Amino acid sequence: NAGVTQTPKFQVLKTGQSMTLQCAQDMNHEYMSWYRQDPGMGLRLIHYSVGAGITDQGEVPNGYNVSRSTTEDFPLRLLSAAPSQTSVYFCASGSGGQETQYFGPGTRLLVL
Amino acid sequence: AQKITQTQPGMFVQEKEAVTLDCTYDTSDPSYGLFWYKQPSSGEMIFLIYQGSYDQQNATEGRYSLNFQKARKSANLVISASQLGDSAMYFCAMREADMYSGGGADGLTFGKGTHLIIQP
Repeated sequence: NAGVTQTPKFQVLKTGQSMTLQCAQDMNHEYMSWYRQDPGMGLRLIHYSVGAGITDQGEVPNGYNVSRSTTEDFPLRLLSAAPSQTSVYFCASGSGGQETQYFGPGTRLLVL
Repeated sequence: AQKITQTQPGMFVQEKEAVTLDCTYDTSDPSYGLFWYKQPSSGEMIFLIYQGSYDQQNATEGRYSLNFQKARKSANLVISASQLGDSAMYFCAMREADMYSGGGADGLTFGKGTHLIIQP
């Protein structure tokens, strides 16, 4: 099992550009979520999904879109990147009722 | 109000000593889960230990134990016999909603973390 994979590992964008952060898991988990981590902060929830076709907003959803067409994939879209979105992004997955969420290695995003 | 509070921004500990990292939480949900994650300088998030609100005994995983005091709403992480490799950021997190019926859909709420440095 590869676990949770994220691509790219690092990305530089200019203000106003769009991009998609990819997240995939091979553990057949129903729950997937996206977090961002800023310096001196813990992780904050952006969006989450409880299964294919179902998504909902977390604590900091503005400027981000998600969709979940398959169990395995949960991409995060930045529609018009802003410098405030410079951060490290983590994807996580877990089963309903399971004790653990497994995190991907993270994507470091720099918006100039 | 913060849901997860970690009051120790940084800690220095001598190698082989035991370490206690503090975490207090705030929830009105009777069903919740508490997690500790380790984040080394390489950046990945490593799950350490979990405690469910209905668990009668404190969780243990190798050198890690969770001192769960429900009435005080605290979930401190104890690392016994610290090692140089324990140097990292440590995050306490909470998941609300009824995990025992398959709920818990709204992710984890994290504290701001404690930077632990183990000195030789």
